[in-house]
Amino acid sequence: GQQLNQSPQSMFIQEGEDVSMNCTSSSIFNTWLWYKQDPGEGPVLLIALYKAGELTSNGRLTAQFGITRKDSFLNISASIPSDVGIYFCAGLRGSNYKLTFGKGTLLTVNP
Amino acid sequence: SQTIHQWPATLVQPVGSPLSLECTVEGTSNPNLYWYRQAAGRGLQLLFYSVGIGQISSEVPQNLSASRPQDRQFILSSKKLLLSDSGFYLCAWSSSDQPQHFGDGTRLSIL
Repeated sequence: GQQLNQSPQSMFIQEGEDVSMNCTSSSIFNTWLWYKQDPGEGPVLLIALYKAGELTSNGRLTAQFGITRKDSFLNISASIPSDVGIYFCAGLRGSNYKLTFGKGTLLTVNP
Repeated sequence: SQTIHQWPATLVQPVGSPLSLECTVEGTSNPNLYWYRQAAGRGLQLLFYSVGIGQISSEVPQNLSASRPQDRQFILSSKKLLLSDSGFYLCAWSSSDQPQHFGDGTRLSIL
């Protein structure tokens, strides 16, 4: 089946540093989504991208829908301790209801 | 605004016992509904999805079943739980103008 390659698998950074993670695929997606999951909770939608080349921000978070429609990245600027969690990318193709998820990036922020 | 409720938050059940997890959505009509399982170590596995009352699609063969008795109610069931059914179960909804949003999850432990 389709897969999203999400990298890195984990990151250990100092508070205040910027973070970048990305997802790539061999298939084209029409929608890219980025979620954050805190321990013991459900994933929360951070950013949704609907057009190739689209660059969208949500506070300190910025995400882009790749021009080829096969990749997306998420940047977090000036990280803070509450940024800790698992970040998932997900892609949606056409009218298909089912999301394809990356395996997640575990972010640890040292104060 | 739309909200999604899952319960219970935590459940401990003996092997061989039945299961019923419930999910309800408020603030939207005719949502698409989803059940996921998340094993330790992150990956999200789609178990079932539903595009309407009584319409259930199963993604993987397993010991579980799903039902949608009402438009905004989605139930995950089992007649006899196995040890391998332990995990974190997530319900999600989407619509024509909203990407998938997740509930807070149910932590299921089988003893």
